[in-house]
Amino acid sequence: DIQMTQSPTSVSASVGDRVTITCRASQSISSALNWYQQKPGKAPKLLVYGASSLQSGVPSRFSGSGSGTDFTLTISSLLPEDFANYFCQQYYTTPTFGQGTRLEIK
Amino acid sequence: EVQLVESGGDLIQSGGSLRLSCAASGFSVSSNYMSWIRQAPGKGLEWVSALYAGDKTYYADSVKGRFSISSDSSKNTLDLQMNSLRGEDTAVYYCAKQVGRSTIFDNWGQGTLVTVSS
Repeated sequence: DIQMTQSPTSVSASVGDRVTITCRASQSISSALNWYQQKPGKAPKLLVYGASSLQSGVPSRFSGSGSGTDFTLTISSLLPEDFANYFCQQYYTTPTFGQGTRLEIK
Repeated sequence: EVQLVESGGDLIQSGGSLRLSCAASGFSVSSNYMSWIRQAPGKGLEWVSALYAGDKTYYADSVKGRFSISSDSSKNTLDLQMNSLRGEDTAVYYCAKQVGRSTIFDNWGQGTLVTVSS
């Protein structure tokens, strides 16, 4: 299985900050990478698919980039509703997920 | 609007069986690619099983031979029969709809908790 490693595991930031989360694959996955947001007790929500395509309805402050083994999710200016858990997922082969990044309010 | 609602989670003894169900609305389960994904307490997500258009089935090695995925077109549900349950199966189980034939999960349910006690 392809291993997905996210960093950081957790990050503290303030409203208005720019935040970047990274995800590294154990082998090349081309652009087969998704990003999800999950809030406590809620269903995960697809934010970005294909490494850089924004899912319909997702605000433009979210963006994804990368290809091969290294990927990033950037939130350009944090809003209060963005404090949540984020995780990546590869779909190049049998899907596997990163361990998640917890975005907390500073 | 697409909606997925899981049910059937419970506290069960090791070695026991449980059947999870995912009721879908806004689309046809039997015409789409669907998966079960789980999340153990404090852990990351793990893909468990997939059913492609009510036909082909796929399983993670960790559940192969113990779990069985199916759909009921009359009820528009996705089901997961779990046998020979182990402590490591303890998790919140989510059903998710896939985008076309990809493994991009564009809609998820809220999850149902399965706790396996020894």
